[in-house]
Amino acid sequence: QQPVQSPQAVILREGEDAVINCSSSKALYSVHWYRQKHGEAPVFLMILLKGGEQKGHDKISASFNEKKQQSSLYLTASQLSYSGTYFCAVAAGAGSYQLTFGKGTKLSVIP
Amino acid sequence: ETGVTQTPRHLVMGMTNKKSLKCEQHLGHNAMYWYKQSAKKPLELMFVYSLEERVENNSVPSRFSPECPNSSHLFLHLHTLQPEDSALYLCASSLRFGQGAYEQYFGPGTRLTVT
Repeated sequence: QQPVQSPQAVILREGEDAVINCSSSKALYSVHWYRQKHGEAPVFLMILLKGGEQKGHDKISASFNEKKQQSSLYLTASQLSYSGTYFCAVAAGAGSYQLTFGKGTKLSVIP
Repeated sequence: ETGVTQTPRHLVMGMTNKKSLKCEQHLGHNAMYWYKQSAKKPLELMFVYSLEERVENNSVPSRFSPECPNSSHLFLHLHTLQPEDSALYLCASSLRFGQGAYEQYFGPGTRLTVT
């Protein structure tokens, strides 16, 4: 079943922070986050495995609450290069072939 | 050449044509995938190959026929397509099969238009 992302779209000014949420109705093994810029391939950002581990690099981080079957992506001090559509994708198990993507959150960062 | 490459980048074909999409990965990965991305819809998994064997056909119509001759190459053969098949077709690879634990690397996609 498809995870639900919110918000669907957000506009930020450079330097502002944003949070993108991803929730599932099923128990999850992992949550993946990807970013896709217009006309380009989705690019892997990070994977969070079952265990509530929080990950991050630079000013983009994410958390995974397995009890609530939710993940959040945090973008701090946004830059113009952060613009794009952010997708979460969920897997029910390590051997699961089915990586189910959400509809995406369109993030626009303006000067 | 690095990463995942796809050719052609754009394709226009009539409903009676036969064409093929090609994907090549230079990452030494063992699993490869075909996805369909339509406007306003999430990515839809079409096929999964692990070590050249098809692991899953995700209820895809037979007018789409995949082929994986080795772990570096993946093809999608197209014939008698419908206009609703117009979309961006993305190829991806991962180190091993088991999407839950391995990140995927995507190619730039082929923009397909069926007239």
